[in-house]
Amino acid sequence: GQNIDQPTEMTATEGAIVQINCTYQTSGFNGLFWYQQHAGEAPTFLSYNVLDGLEEKGRFSSFLSRSKGYSYLLLKELQMKDSASYLCAVRDGDYKLSFGAGTTVTVRA
Amino acid sequence: DVKVTQSSRYLVKRTGEKVFLECVQDMDHENMFWYRQDPGLGLRLIYFSYDVKMKEKGDIPEGYSVSREKKERFSLILESASTNQTSMYLCASSLGTTYEEQYFGPGTRLTVT
Repeated sequence: GQNIDQPTEMTATEGAIVQINCTYQTSGFNGLFWYQQHAGEAPTFLSYNVLDGLEEKGRFSSFLSRSKGYSYLLLKELQMKDSASYLCAVRDGDYKLSFGAGTTVTVRA
Repeated sequence: DVKVTQSSRYLVKRTGEKVFLECVQDMDHENMFWYRQDPGLGLRLIYFSYDVKMKEKGDIPEGYSVSREKKERFSLILESASTNQTSMYLCASSLGTTYEEQYFGPGTRLTVT
């Protein structure tokens, strides 16, 4: 089966940096996705990594190490609107995504 | 603008009823997916479809079936609803087998009493 672990909750202050870790053990690997989900809303795509290294997109960056089965999502210059759940998902074949349980980030003023 | 719509935001059904959840995408996507989302468990894949009339079981297909008669529409069917099927149901679609991300609908909160 698939095993994808991420912390349940994190709290940070407005303007700070938060790093959400994700470790995975899956039967195959064809890319890792990060999604953001605000309460009561649909998940929306944030980033995709298939090769080792860092992908930067504005205030958000995502890192992947395939040999370690490890990724992180880095949120910089936190804003109140970043309060949400962040979902780590691994694609282990052509179609299927396996998701972690999600990390709820609370940003405090 | 990418759009995935689901027929209802909230639904209340009785145990034993047959329940239909509809999902429509307007992006001409090949792949469509049904997930359920429960606290502490994350999103779990129920079924997916990579072409019209094609379907594959996901991780938790028991108690569910699906139908894809047209490319844009993917239906999830609960043959005989049970209380343990109370959940948030999310539909998603994606373009093909490349890197393309999945686009999600707003979800249907189903309560079975």
